[in-house]
Amino acid sequence: EAQVTQNPRYLITVTGKKLTVTCSQNMNHEYMSWYRQDPGLGLRQIYYSMNVEVTDKGDVPEGYKVSRKEKRNFPLILESPSPNQTSLYFCASSLMPPFEGTEAFFGQGTRLTVV
Amino acid sequence: AQKVTQAQTEISVVEKEDVTLDCVYETRDTTYYLFWYKQPPSGELVFLIRRNSFDEQNEISGRYSWNFQKSTSSFNFTITASQVVDSAVYFCALSEALVKKRGSTLGRLYFGRGTQLTVWP
Repeated sequence: EAQVTQNPRYLITVTGKKLTVTCSQNMNHEYMSWYRQDPGLGLRQIYYSMNVEVTDKGDVPEGYKVSRKEKRNFPLILESPSPNQTSLYFCASSLMPPFEGTEAFFGQGTRLTVV
Repeated sequence: AQKVTQAQTEISVVEKEDVTLDCVYETRDTTYYLFWYKQPPSGELVFLIRRNSFDEQNEISGRYSWNFQKSTSSFNFTITASQVVDSAVYFCALSEALVKKRGSTLGRLYFGRGTQLTVWP
């Protein structure tokens, strides 16, 4: 089954404790991205990746890191989480970049709470 | 300034009513794509439609229709004879191509803030 898999689905952590949210897709998609969803703000892009080793910042990259060492995986790293990073996070992938018109497939979301 | 504006934060209708969700976008590109996504109460995001900037034909898919007007930079979404299952948050999104990097043209996807549609029985 074609899918984007995020883990974990729910996470409660403490300020400053490094964490990684994994994202994997099995569709051989080139483009992957991370979004955060906050009430009243919609979805905001954190980072995106065109392909292996090619990544760039989105709207809200501060406090996050990403890497794309393999085509299928695009982990999101929070080196020192803070309470303002409490949010619902979505990973997405698409065959080509959005400007090529390909639709995004989203993961189930990760609800992160930083206390 | 927002690239994509969905001015309606929440809309409530009664079943069988028609409802239009507005989307206004801002771009300097001549080539771009617009999208609509649906997020039902279960939380997943589902693609509904894409529209190329060169194709201003309106599209109808069952009870759904989309009106793209470049003159007003709008890409509105209408649900005819709404049903309870249409209750969801709907997002409009815009994609643009950016500068080339390492031989690739990178791209961003901008979402609006979403419109929460509630359809009452």
